[in-house]
Formats: sequence, structure tokens, C-alpha cells
Amino acid sequence: QSALTQPASVSGSPGQSITISCTGTSSDVGRYNYVSWYQQHPGKAPKVMIYDVSNRPSGVPDRFSGSKSGNTASLTISGLQAEDEADYYCSSFTSSTTWVFGGGTKLTVL
Amino acid sequence: QVQLVQSGAEVKKPGASLKVSCKASGYTFTSYYIHWVRQGPGQGLEWMGLINPSGGNTNSAQKFQGRVTMTRDTSTSTVYMELSSLRFEDTAVYYCARTEIVVPSWFDPWGQGTLVTVSS
Repeated sequence: QSALTQPASVSGSPGQSITISCTGTSSDVGRYNYVSWYQQHPGKAPKVMIYDVSNRPSGVPDRFSGSKSGNTASLTISGLQAEDEADYYCSSFTSSTTWVFGGGTKLTVL
Repeated sequence: QVQLVQSGAEVKKPGASLKVSCKASGYTFTSYYIHWVRQGPGQGLEWMGLINPSGGNTNSAQKFQGRVTMTRDTSTSTVYMELSSLRFEDTAVYYCARTEIVVPSWFDPWGQGTLVTVSS
């Protein structure tokens, strides 16, 4: 099972919007709506930001949104804030009854 | 509150085995999978495998098959992950995390992580 493909880095200024893509295959992202996104600050455990493609857990700001088209899922953060600077990972359930993560994207708030 | 608490940091020699524990609290232990995810230094997250605490069934990533063993103790709501034949590249932070069993859901919560260093 290969890792999902994410850009290594993205950046944006405060107040702007950014989108992080996550490309898989027809055996994972394309087949199931079980894509989730995680935020990880240095030295901390990951925290779920989006689940089931586009749902936000309680407590996650509505600036965070998710979507999917074909084999590619996306995380969009609007109204960027300094505290959004972190690493972001996507994850998907797969047809092998396993899970797979993306390689991670470092978000820099300029 | 729902919580996963992991055992402390370890230093191991190449070829040795590692056993990390993950103690669950605040929910029905047998109703959720427990997964193991690791993160090498400066690296991304890597899914290793899962255990169903209800029946003890496990599933693991092909990369770890034959080298990882996951067990559980329902009397203490604790899951164990044992990794054998350690190599330098197994140096990582190892996390446990929970997902629902009925629906392949998201990982929440996560344990605090266990730093494992493989060094001669």
C-alpha cells in the first residue's frame, strides 16, 4: 500500500485561503468516503480536523473544510491564522481493510 | 474523558524486540479498534496495524507483517504492540489511536506517543 500523495509544503499570508491536495487510488480515496485530515504541531500528537471527507468535529473552526473529487481529496483553510502553521496529513481507509496516510504537508503562514 | 495513555520512552539495540503499551479509559474498550501509527524523525505518519479488542483479531500493513504482534488485555483495557528484529530505521515515535469498529472512522483520540530509539 503506497502512501497518499500530498504536496510537501504550502504557504499563505494571514487571512488568505490555501488548499492541500491528497491523491490516492481507486482502492482508497476514490472508493470510500472515509478520508480524514490531521493537524500536527511540533512535538504533539496529531489532531483530527476533518473526517468522512467533509465533516468537522466539534471544536474545529469552520475555516477548515474538506472535499473530494475522484481519487483526490482536498483540505481548504480559509482566513489563515498564525496558529494554523503546522503539518497536515490526510488518511484513507482502503480496500485491504487497512489505513494509509499521506506523506504530510508543511503549512507556513507568512 | 476518553484517553489513551502509552508507556514511556525506550532505548533498544538492533535485533532486540520492543513492547509498547496503550491503556484506554473513558469508553467501552471492546467497541473500538486500537491502531498503531509511527513517525520517524522528521518523517510522516505511517500506519502499522490494528487490533480489535473484542476478539483480539489483528490486521497489519504488509511492511510489518511477520515482525509486529498486537495483543490486548481486556481486564486492564490495555493494548500491546511488539515489534521484533529492531533496526536503526525503527527509531520513531509510536502512537496508538482509536477508531470505531462498525464504520472505518477517523483516529481520535491519540496517545501521547512513545519515543523508541534503536541504537548500538
